[in-house]
Amino acid sequence: AQRVTQPEKLLSVFKGAPVELKCNYSYSGSPELFWYVQYSRQRLQLLLRHISRESIKGFTADLNKGETSFHLKKPFAQEEDSAMYYCALSPLPGQGGSEKLVFGKGTKLTVNP
Amino acid sequence: DVKVTQSSRYLVKRTGEKVFLECVQDMDHENMFWYRQDPGLGLRLIYFSYDVKMKEKGDIPEGYSVSREKKERFSLILESASTNQTSMYLCASSSPGTSGSNEQFFGPGTRLTVL
Repeated sequence: AQRVTQPEKLLSVFKGAPVELKCNYSYSGSPELFWYVQYSRQRLQLLLRHISRESIKGFTADLNKGETSFHLKKPFAQEEDSAMYYCALSPLPGQGGSEKLVFGKGTKLTVNP
Repeated sequence: DVKVTQSSRYLVKRTGEKVFLECVQDMDHENMFWYRQDPGLGLRLIYFSYDVKMKEKGDIPEGYSVSREKKERFSLILESASTNQTSMYLCASSSPGTSGSNEQFFGPGTRLTVL
């Protein structure tokens, strides 16, 4: 079964501190993994996906197939990073699997001044 | 830029009313989705559609139905609203056949309150 686990509901850090939002997944095939972010009163939007291997707003995430993890990291948190973060998984397109996303329950990040 | 719009930002209805939530996307996406978003529960899939007039149940379809008569429009229907359907409802669309990714694009959400 496909499952995404975000073990922290709430995470609070101080501005300038490193931040890591954890995401573990369960999937038997080749997954496509995403991080979505929702700022206050804004729509849910894609932050990054593992296929792109890019850094957005200073955030990075590496897919670790051995540990089945896709943790989101930023070396120096900013107040504007305060938001709700969701990790999500789907089968890689073209693999014959569902085109749905499975979401974790989310982590609310608060960056304190 | 993909635009997904939802007909209402806020909606207040009474128990037993029939409620329609509308979603429109302008990028010719074949897939459309309805979720509800509740604190501590994340996003839960209600229904999705992969083509006009096609639909599949998600994880929590009870009490809901959907309609997709045109490719760009996906409607969520609450046949008889109940207080436990008070929630934020999110619509999304995707086009993996075109983009090569299952990335979904979300609307702004409709906050529904059932009294």
